[in-house]
Amino acid sequence: SQQGEEDPQALSIQEGENATMNCSYKTSINNLQWYRQNSGRGLVHLILIRSNEREKHSGRLRVTLDTSKKSSSLLITASRAADTASYFCATDSWGKLQFGAGTQVVVTP
Amino acid sequence: GAGVSQSPSNKVTEKGKDVELRCDPISGHTALYWYRQSLGQGLEFLIYFQGNSAPDKSGLPSDRFSAERTGGSVSTLTIQRTQQEDSAVYLCASSLGAHREQFFGPGTRLTVL
Repeated sequence: SQQGEEDPQALSIQEGENATMNCSYKTSINNLQWYRQNSGRGLVHLILIRSNEREKHSGRLRVTLDTSKKSSSLLITASRAADTASYFCATDSWGKLQFGAGTQVVVTP
Repeated sequence: GAGVSQSPSNKVTEKGKDVELRCDPISGHTALYWYRQSLGQGLEFLIYFQGNSAPDKSGLPSDRFSAERTGGSVSTLTIQRTQQEDSAVYLCASSLGAHREQFFGPGTRLTVL
């Protein structure tokens, strides 16, 4: 079974726009991680946010975590065509990751 | 430095045959994980090795699946008597320890005919 539920399932935007996706989960966590997967390729780690953190930035990425609502969001600012990929949230409760179903993001030039 | 490597990259087998999938983690990473990704089930955890502790096998879907990690480094995932529903991409990951970011290999695409 999957811990995370992601919203939306798919997102289509134009270059330069921001993309926001959300993740909800059910149980308490040690941390939550976001990964990117390009078509036919492996998972690339983007950012890790611990349960005692509320916001984290990495380049054009901004992640928030609300443990009271058991939810997280990933914001990609000033999107580029190269950001086209599937994005997954994954919760870490016992060391292993439980993934959401992912959000497919398409960025058109 | 070198990332996580997996072999073979693709494996086609007949139903009922056994297969072995190999993972070479990043040097120095004490934790190693196996996941699989399929259209119907998404990304699923299979098994987790951390140092010398007993592995967490809670994600293995049946007793046809087993894994070992020799010398705290290379791991092999074995699927016995393969079934068509075993067709998936099997992903290996490693990390510096528990609750750290995980680095994934490119995966092995298994097709069971």
